[in-house]
Order: sequence, then C-alpha cells, then structure tokens
Amino acid sequence: DAKTTQPPSMDCAEGRAANLPCNHSTISGNEYVYWYRQIHSQGPQYIIHGLKNNETNEMASLIITEDRKSSTLILPHATLRDTAVYYCIVVGYGQNFVFGPGTRLSVLP
Amino acid sequence: SQTIHQWPATLVQPVGSPLSLECTVEGTSNPNLYWYRQAAGRGLQLLFYSVGIGQISSEVPQNLSASRPQDRQFILSSKKLLLSDSGFYLCAWSVGLAKNIQYFGAGTRLSVL
Repeated sequence: DAKTTQPPSMDCAEGRAANLPCNHSTISGNEYVYWYRQIHSQGPQYIIHGLKNNETNEMASLIITEDRKSSTLILPHATLRDTAVYYCIVVGYGQNFVFGPGTRLSVLP
Repeated sequence: SQTIHQWPATLVQPVGSPLSLECTVEGTSNPNLYWYRQAAGRGLQLLFYSVGIGQISSEVPQNLSASRPQDRQFILSSKKLLLSDSGFYLCAWSVGLAKNIQYFGAGTRLSVL
C-alpha cells in the first residue's frame, strides 16, 4: 500500500499557484518524498524529490514540514498544460516506488 | 542523453493469444528496468523489475512474465492473454543502487477482447 494520502482532485485557476498537499505521517527518517505527474495517456514524469529541506527546480517547489509528516508541491504559475494526475511517493533507499491514486489537478482558464 | 522506447503504442489482442511488449533504453549502461501496469482510472502497479541481465523480480503473481536478454532491453510476455490483462503498460528505468528517479516510456495500451 502507498504510504501517502492525497486529495483525489483539485482545481486551480490558470496563472495562479497550485499547491498540492501530501500526508505521509508514517515516513521514516531515511525515506524520501518524490513527486511525479501523469498527463492523460502518457507515462509519468518526474518533478522533484526531497528528504528534509525544501527543494526547488525549474518545474516546481517542494515544501516539507519540519516533522516530515506532510509536504506540499507548489507549481508557481499553473498553465493548462499542468492539468494532470500528481503522485506523491515516499520511498527509502533501494526500495521500489508504490504509486497511490494521486491528485487529479485541473487547471481552469 | 538517455531515451526509452516502448512499442507498440496500442495493441488489441484476442483472449488466449500471446503477448510480447518490448522496451529499450539508450544512453545509459546497466540500468534498473521496470514494468508497471495501470488499469483504467487507477494508479500504477509494479509488475517486474530487473537490476541486471537475466535478473528478474516479480512483485505480484500473474499471467505475465518478463525477461532481460540484453543490458538495455526488457520484454514483457504472456503465453495466453486474459481479459484482466487489459491496461496501460509502462516501462521505466533508473540507475544506481538507490533506484532513485525513474524515467518512464510512453506506454502501451493493451486491450484484450
């Protein structure tokens, strides 16, 4: 079973920030948080990952709470092309990914 | 740069027929390779993974098998397809013992009728 809990769906207005939450209250100290997204009928795309510190790349920012029990993926300026299912995955070193149902993000014009 | 190829993109097969899906990776050596299946409206389920030639680990009991005849080639097979084998099949690769950051192919949509 997936170690994360995400809302099944969210809406976001185009141009606004999309904040996608993820709960991982049972995360272990050596487990990472990964985010992927899957645009309809395509393979999942890696977005970002982190352990303790907040991370930022050209796609998104990842904010991990100090107790590491939850995190938020931030898409700073959502576009229509960001409409997808977003998966939050907790995984330890050498372990395989377990995908949950994710959050279906709809970016609205 | 690394690329991953999966084919075919779509496939319609009758129940009881054999299956062979192929995945190849370019631009990297000794990748970890994965086969996932995604049923309609569901998340991804890991079927098989391989850390080297001839080394296959199965995550779930099923009607499918996998083989890795070459370093960068991963094949998913079945001798007789079932209706329940329908789905979206995805191949992925990663490098290193950490298995971090998997990169996915475009997938094969299989319909068993």
